[in-house]
Amino acid sequence: DVKVTQSSRYLVKRTGEKVFLECVQDMDHENMFWYRQDPGLGLRLIYFSYDVKMKEKGDIPEGYSVSREKKERFSLILESASTNQTSMYLCASSSPAASGYTSTDTQYFGPGTRLTVL
Amino acid sequence: RKEVEQDPGPFNVPEGATVAFNCTYSNSASQSFFWYRQDCRKEPKLLMSVYSSGNEDGRFTAQLNRASQYISLLIRDSKLSDSATYLCVVTLGNDYKLSFGAGTTVTVRA
Repeated sequence: DVKVTQSSRYLVKRTGEKVFLECVQDMDHENMFWYRQDPGLGLRLIYFSYDVKMKEKGDIPEGYSVSREKKERFSLILESASTNQTSMYLCASSSPAASGYTSTDTQYFGPGTRLTVL
Repeated sequence: RKEVEQDPGPFNVPEGATVAFNCTYSNSASQSFFWYRQDCRKEPKLLMSVYSSGNEDGRFTAQLNRASQYISLLIRDSKLSDSATYLCVVTLGNDYKLSFGAGTTVTVRA
């Protein structure tokens, strides 16, 4: 069965702290994604990675960085947490279609991490 | 203007009713379209892809109207278990990026 796991379901941090969110997938997927989900705004892409050590900025990368040292693990880092980064963070993974690299493959999501920055 | 817009609802319907809602997208170059379902406090999961000719999966029917740039989802014979938020998803194709709508909430009551 498809499995994407995230290190924490709930996190509370203080302004200025460095925060690490971990995501692990066991499906041998090439692509991994980090989103944040806020009421009324939907899911917004922060960063994605299509291979080990590769990363691409999404729509809202400011204040975040990522790391992908192993294929199965994709980390999101908040260098200095701020209150406007309070949100639900969702990790997802997918595998390119056999016909080529495409974003149309099903994305499998982890359960999410609800981060509160005080 | 948002790339993908949805009526947030909620749509409150009795069991057995039919409910339908739309999603509009702004980029005419969009190529692929999907509906994801998200249960309360859960992660999104793919419900179905949306094909140009329209497609059906059991009680769910999805339609695409490229001329007017919208997709629709129709649920027949609603079940209590259909209560969820339905996310409209649009992609431009080969760029890995999905654009999500904010979701339409459906509540089916007994």
